[in-house]
Amino acid sequence: SAVISQKPSRDICQRGTSLTIQCQVDSQVTMMFWYRQQPGQSLTLIATANQGSEATYESGFVIDKFPISRPNLTFSTLTVSNMSPEDSSIYLCSVEETPTDTQYFGPGTRLTVL
Amino acid sequence: DAKTTQPNSMESNEEEPVHLPCNHSTISGTDYIHWYRQLPSQGPEYVIHGLTSNVNNRMASLAIAEDRKSSTLILHRATLRDAAVYYCILRDWGYNAGNMLTFGGGTRLMVKP
Repeated sequence: SAVISQKPSRDICQRGTSLTIQCQVDSQVTMMFWYRQQPGQSLTLIATANQGSEATYESGFVIDKFPISRPNLTFSTLTVSNMSPEDSSIYLCSVEETPTDTQYFGPGTRLTVL
Repeated sequence: DAKTTQPNSMESNEEEPVHLPCNHSTISGTDYIHWYRQLPSQGPEYVIHGLTSNVNNRMASLAIAEDRKSSTLILHRATLRDAAVYYCILRDWGYNAGNMLTFGGGTRLMVKP
């Protein structure tokens, strides 16, 4: 099974600033995803990070707010831009393992915006 | 994606079996039934999945109704470590535009010593 690490594990940021979250996988994977989990809520998919092309965003999420990079098959970043307190959430990356169709999740990045 | 319905919460005693139900009456013929769980302060982890037949692995068993409109995740002997939110998710095996997981509210399982 894939092992995923995220940096930072948590951060407290001021409104109006940006934070970049890193996701590192210990093996090459085709599919990587970024999710958001707001306090007390379930997970919501932000986007699919595509290697070598632009990310595919879900309804309600835009590239200007959540730019994503995927430079290779083991690494991705998510930036939360121009943050507001409403962006306070846990951000998780996940990868899809084939052919088992199982997703593995990172430990998450807990973001608090003041 | 077809929708699933789960109870908000359940309680169990330690070392007793737990049956977590999931209703998915609008399931399509190509939907797999996946279960993930999220332990406190961790990312979700895969538990089990199946299509039509019952499935067993080292973590749990999955019992799927004959009409596939419901399923039950079975933990044979609950431990305190099994306290988590359990998510029942349908995934279309033919869906090739990202293979995303759509999380519902899940069932919060509490295990009493």
